[in-house]
Amino acid sequence: EPEVTQTPSHQVTQMGQEVILRCVPISNHLYFYWYRQILGQKVEFLVSFYNNEISEKSEIFDDQFSVERPDGSNFTLKIRSTKLEDSAMYFCASRTSGSPGELFFGEGSRLTVL
Amino acid sequence: GDSVTQMEGPVTLSEEAFLTINCTYTATGYPSLFWYVQYPGEGLQLLLKATKADDKGSNKGFEATYRKETTSFHLEKGSVQVSDSAVYFCALMNQGGKLIFGQGTELSVKP
Repeated sequence: EPEVTQTPSHQVTQMGQEVILRCVPISNHLYFYWYRQILGQKVEFLVSFYNNEISEKSEIFDDQFSVERPDGSNFTLKIRSTKLEDSAMYFCASRTSGSPGELFFGEGSRLTVL
Repeated sequence: GDSVTQMEGPVTLSEEAFLTINCTYTATGYPSLFWYVQYPGEGLQLLLKATKADDKGSNKGFEATYRKETTSFHLEKGSVQVSDSAVYFCALMNQGGKLIFGQGTELSVKP
């Protein structure tokens, strides 16, 4: 069964460092998403991406964040200068076109900022 | 804006007890509604969904009915098992295709 894969599963970094989280969405999907879950809290929308551009972003997704689809398969989230409060589980998701589209989530990448 | 509100947890039940987790939503238009489950240490898995009013989603003994008149999508199961212990998230997908989650309800089932 096709699935969304994310790497790394866990990354520890120092405050101020750049981090790139990688995702491989399901191959025929067209819409891509990043969500964040701070430990014990709700799952929050960060950004959606379609047709090689951001279609919507939340207030959390400030200038420190960027997304890219560098080739036909990967979808990356970059945090330029990490802060302590960026520590969270980051989930990538994808879906096909059409409505309603179920979002398929990856297993998540846990980011710990020290 | 669009939002989802779930009953607060944690919910602790004995095995074979009846489960209800309340979920209500606020949305423009006619969203699709979902329940996702997150088992300890794992990602988010779709449990069930409903796409229009009066639809009932069901899976693994869980059910939820899309009630437009009360803007609710309560999750129920007649007899819970220890293996159902997890965090349950109610969510809506708005017209723009964005999934908006409730705060999650932790369920703990004791043998």
